[in-house]
Formats: sequence, C-alpha cells, structure tokens
Amino acid sequence: QEKVQQSPESLIVPEGAMSSLNCTFSNSASQSIWWYQQHPGKGPEALISIFSNGNKKEGRLTVYLNRASLHVSLHIRDSQPSDSAVYLCAVYGSSGNKLIFGIGTLLSVKP
Amino acid sequence: AQTIHQWPVAEIKAVGSPLSLGCTIKGKSSPNLYWYWQATGGTLQQLFYSITVGQVESVVQLNLSASRPKDDQFILSTEKLLLSHSGFYLCAWSLVGGSSYEQYFGPGTRLTVL
Repeated sequence: QEKVQQSPESLIVPEGAMSSLNCTFSNSASQSIWWYQQHPGKGPEALISIFSNGNKKEGRLTVYLNRASLHVSLHIRDSQPSDSAVYLCAVYGSSGNKLIFGIGTLLSVKP
Repeated sequence: AQTIHQWPVAEIKAVGSPLSLGCTIKGKSSPNLYWYWQATGGTLQQLFYSITVGQVESVVQLNLSASRPKDDQFILSTEKLLLSHSGFYLCAWSLVGGSSYEQYFGPGTRLTVL
C-alpha cells in the first residue's frame, strides 16, 4: 500500500526564519506531489505542486523533489505568524485518481 | 467563481442511526468530485470519487456509501453509524482527474457519533 510520511511532526520557528518540512513517499511511480495548508477546522488549500526532479519556486515557497530517494521538501522563506498551520504532503497513487496524504507537520511561527 | 458548500456544518448522531451529508459545487460544469474523512489527529483519507453523474468509485471501505444524483451534488450516507465514523468529512472537486490538477476542498462537516 502506498504511504506518505512526514517529518517533523511539529516545528516551531521564529518570525523571519526559514521553515523546512520533509516528506517521503513509497511509490516511485507516483505522479505529482502536492503540498496543502490546513488551518484548524478548515479544509486544506493547495500551496504548490511538483512533478519533475529538481526544484520549483513560488513566492516564499520552494519545493525540492528527488525521485531516486522518494523525498520531497517544502521550504518557507521569511516565515510569518500567519503561516502557522498544518502542512500536508499529498501524493497521487499509481491509479491516478487517489490522492494519498501524510499525517502533516504542525508549523508554529512565533512573533 | 466556483463555490463549494457542505451541509450540515456539524452533526451529533447516535450509534446505529442513519446519516446523510451533502456537498454542492456551483460555477463549474462536470467536475470530478471526492469525499474525504479525517479522524481527530488522523490522516486525511480519500473515501470516494466520481467523474460523472451516477458513477461513484469507492476507495476505502468504511461502511459508507456515496451517490452523485446531479452534476453539482455529491451525497455521503450510511444506514447505521458506528462510533468509528466520527471525524471531519470533506468534499472536494477538481477540474478533471489526474495528478496535475489541484483538488479544491469544501469547509467540511464535523460529525460526532455517541
């Protein structure tokens, strides 16, 4: 069964710092990998996705994908208190319609 | 602009009672629709998906069923609730199927089974 694991479980950073979140997945045939942000009691919102090896940058977000090591990371530059939320890594399974989520990383940015 | 509405916002039900949760998407024709479930402190799990009216595929078996009676409506139901059904239910839509397309989530329904 395809699995997605995230680390760390929680992360506390000071305002203005870089936040780094990690995700590993089990299926090398997985297609796009997505990062979602979820605030308490709300539905997740997509932040950024990546398909090809390498990195992709959007605003303060940078995502790195290494398919050989089945690893993807999300980096948030200049973290703000409003970035405090749970960050979910999601990978499409080989069937194409099933999106598999990790348990999430709780990010707290302290002023 | 597309909007996604879920009802009810929250529900408290007894074990063994029936359940019906609803989701409507406005402003998008023929979207792919999805139901997800998130236990408290647990992983978000995809339960069902639908690519067209009347066609629903099950992803995870949780003694629940889903139907798509209209293009913009997705229903999640069961005749007998279990304690394990408690959690946060989310409906989502995407433009089409496939990994390149973002899934947009609704506000969710909080279900408590006692």
